[in-house]
Amino acid sequence: DAKTTQPPSMDCAEGRAANLPCNHSTISGNEYVYWYRQIHSQGPQYIIHGLKNNETNEMASLIITEDRKSSTLILPHATLRDTAVYYCIVRVAGDTGRRALTFGSGTRLQVQP
Amino acid sequence: GAVVSQHPSWVICKSGTSVKIECRSLDFQATTMFWYRQFPKQSLMLMATSNEGSKATYEQGVEKDKFLINHASLTLSTLTVTSAHPEDSSFYICSARPTGRSYEQYFGPGTRLTVT
Repeated sequence: DAKTTQPPSMDCAEGRAANLPCNHSTISGNEYVYWYRQIHSQGPQYIIHGLKNNETNEMASLIITEDRKSSTLILPHATLRDTAVYYCIVRVAGDTGRRALTFGSGTRLQVQP
Repeated sequence: GAVVSQHPSWVICKSGTSVKIECRSLDFQATTMFWYRQFPKQSLMLMATSNEGSKATYEQGVEKDKFLINHASLTLSTLTVTSAHPEDSSFYICSARPTGRSYEQYFGPGTRLTVT
């Protein structure tokens, strides 16, 4: 799986958009970008994933650059409950993929009141 | 949908005893389940992969005789920490992959183990 690089920490004001970057310059054509988050003392929570098109769901938007070497997770209106560690993970998907998700250090997002 | 539960949510045990942690997929079947461990201020580290009806595959450095994994059904996997020691104190998280949907992986809420 391609290696990802994320800033160790970020702050965001409550109500503002939180933009979390991720670099994955060695991503392969068949690798997806996944985002998970982990609120303190809880299990990771799936947020969103994408291959090359931008994706949006009720939680967030995922913007993937055209060359797919980086992506940005956008939380449009951050709340205090969004304070968590956010993990960007790149991996192959498909019926033959049996490996577990592996987690890097992630970005610790602190939403400030 | 896609809920994974763990039991217990926290446990305190004495050194030398064994502790069993259960992981259940509540509304889906999971041929494959994963066990992670997380120490304070660190990221999740994969311990092992279990497939229903077969032996678990352990990551390098994880003692299979100490961390016994059983995945006897499509909705239940158990992790038993045998002869626990204080250094086994950690946050244990299981994860389940829905059968036939390999791009999805759902996590349990975790179990906090403290060995005294």
